[in-house]
Amino acid sequence: SQQGEEDPQALSIQEGENATMNCSYKTSINNLQWYRQNSGRGLVHLILIRSNEREKHSGRLRVTLDTSKKSSSLLITASRAADTASYFCATVLGFGNEKLTFGTGTRLTIIP
Amino acid sequence: DTEVTQTPKHLVMGMTNKKSLKCEQHMGHRAMYWYKQKAKKPPELMFVYSYEKLSINESVPSRFSPECPNSSLLNLHLHALQPEDSALYLCASSQAGPLYTEAFFGQGTRLTVV
Repeated sequence: SQQGEEDPQALSIQEGENATMNCSYKTSINNLQWYRQNSGRGLVHLILIRSNEREKHSGRLRVTLDTSKKSSSLLITASRAADTASYFCATVLGFGNEKLTFGTGTRLTIIP
Repeated sequence: DTEVTQTPKHLVMGMTNKKSLKCEQHMGHRAMYWYKQKAKKPPELMFVYSYEKLSINESVPSRFSPECPNSSLLNLHLHALQPEDSALYLCASSQAGPLYTEAFFGQGTRLTVV
């Protein structure tokens, strides 16, 4: 069953603006990962954040995790046309349930 | 080499055919995965191999049969599929399980069952 729900389902912004995507999940997790998928092909890993971490950065990406609210957000700053893709959060629950389960995804379109 | 290579990229097969999807990685990863993704949906886990042994089968129908001949190769054997099995099939690998590390995905095989 699906663990993560992402919001919004679709987002269109102008190039140069910031994009924020949110992921909510249902049960306690070991870690949460964000992936990008271009044009229905392979997924690319962006960031892994563990349950004891609150924030991580990678280049123009910032991920936050709020375990009390069971939610995470992905911020892409200074967006570029090449950022156009689908973005998925994926959760891993913990020992004995070591599956990477994907959320519903956000389709991001950057308008040049 | 940080690639997961999947072949073929596209496959069209009839409902009575037998075909195989192949996946290869040379990163020394010990966990390998098969996911199925329908259009505009997230990937859904099918199988997980850990140290060449099947560790997770998500109640996948027996017409899908996974095989891990060695630590670098993962196959998915297909037999008597249905049109609703048409989808993008993604292979992935990780150094250890998802508790510890990220997954690397191949570009997928787009399967059409006619």
